[in-house]
This record gives sequence, structure tokens and C-alpha cells, in this order.
Amino acid sequence: GQNIDQPTEMTATEGAIVQINCTYQTSGFNGLFWYQQHAGEAPTFLSYNVLDGLEEKGRFSSFLSRSKGYSYLLLKELQMKDSASYLCASYSNYQLIWGAGTKLIIKP
Amino acid sequence: KAGVTQTPRYLIKTRGQQVTLSCSPISGHRSVSWYQQTPGQGLQFLFEYFSETQRNKGNFPGRFSGRQFSNSRSEMNVSTLELGDSALYLCASSLEGASGNTIYFGEGSWLTVV
Repeated sequence: GQNIDQPTEMTATEGAIVQINCTYQTSGFNGLFWYQQHAGEAPTFLSYNVLDGLEEKGRFSSFLSRSKGYSYLLLKELQMKDSASYLCASYSNYQLIWGAGTKLIIKP
Repeated sequence: KAGVTQTPRYLIKTRGQQVTLSCSPISGHRSVSWYQQTPGQGLQFLFEYFSETQRNKGNFPGRFSGRQFSNSRSEMNVSTLELGDSALYLCASSLEGASGNTIYFGEGSWLTVV
């Protein structure tokens, strides 16, 4: 079956680094999306990984290992505004299959 | 350019009624997808329309239906509403679909069924 797992909630300190993991078991895998969603708002695009490896975009980086069915989102120099839910989604067989999201709480 | 627009933003319906939600995609985008989002369940895919044709469908009952017009605007309809249909309904648009293209979400329609 199709399955995406990510932690329900994580807590981190302002200025620190946090890694949000996502594991997937999906057939026909093409790539892995990460989205950020603030409470009451629409999800916004962060990254899309197709090839293995790390892609860096400013304070945010995303990693993919296709052989392990594993991805992570790395957030550096955390700011209070990074408090949000982070959604990973597998693009497989022309459909997006979403994880339930990880709620990230940033403490001062 | 204007983003994805969904209407209405909030609505309350009674069990057994039906509801229609509207989505206007970003200009030039031909793919529109609909999702249901509930706490703890993540985004559940409803269906995708491309050039007025349903291209993909999720595992929702036939009470959930949709359509897309020639201007790419889309509507979804839920008939015989149940309490469990209370959720945030999100519309997403992209140029051709999610195949490597960024998809953009609207702010959603919050549906409460009482």
C-alpha cells in the first residue's frame, strides 16, 4: 500500500537546528515534496527532490534517499516564524500522497 | 499574479444538505486538485481536473464530485452531508499537474456540518 510517515510534533529552540524526517512506501515514486503550513493558512511550497542527495535553499535544506524511502527537511537558525506544520508528500503514479504533517513548535 | 482563490472561506451546513465550493486557479494553470484536510489525517486527495477532464480520483464516496470549466475554474460538490465531512477543503493549481511542477494552494474553505 501507499504510506507516508512523519512525526506528529517536534519542539525546538529559537536559533537551533531541527531535522524533520519523512519515510515513504509508495509505488511508482517520482519525487518528494515538502510544504510549510501555518495555522489557518494554505500550504506553501518549500522543496521538491527527485534525485538522491541534499538540496539547500537558504536556511532550509531537503534530503532524499530513494533506496531507503527516506527524506528529511533541515531547518537552521530557527526563528519563531518557523512555527508551523511541515508536510511531506510523495509524488507517485501521478498522484500526491501526503503525510499527516509535523507540527513544529519553536520556543524562545 | 493573483493566487488561487477559493470561495466561500467559511460555511456551516446541516446534515443531509449539499454544498458547492469554488476554486479559481492561477491564470494559465490548467490542473486543479482538491483535498480534504482534517486534524491528524493530513491532506486526503479528492480528485484532479485537467482541461475539464477528471484525470485522477481519490478514495472518496460518490457523494463527492467535481467539475472544471473551460476557463479552468473548478467546483466541487458534496451531497447528503455527514458530520464527518467537516473539514478544510483545499484547492491546488499547477501548470500541468504535480509532475515536478510546484502546486499552489488556495486558503481553503472551512466546512462545518452540524
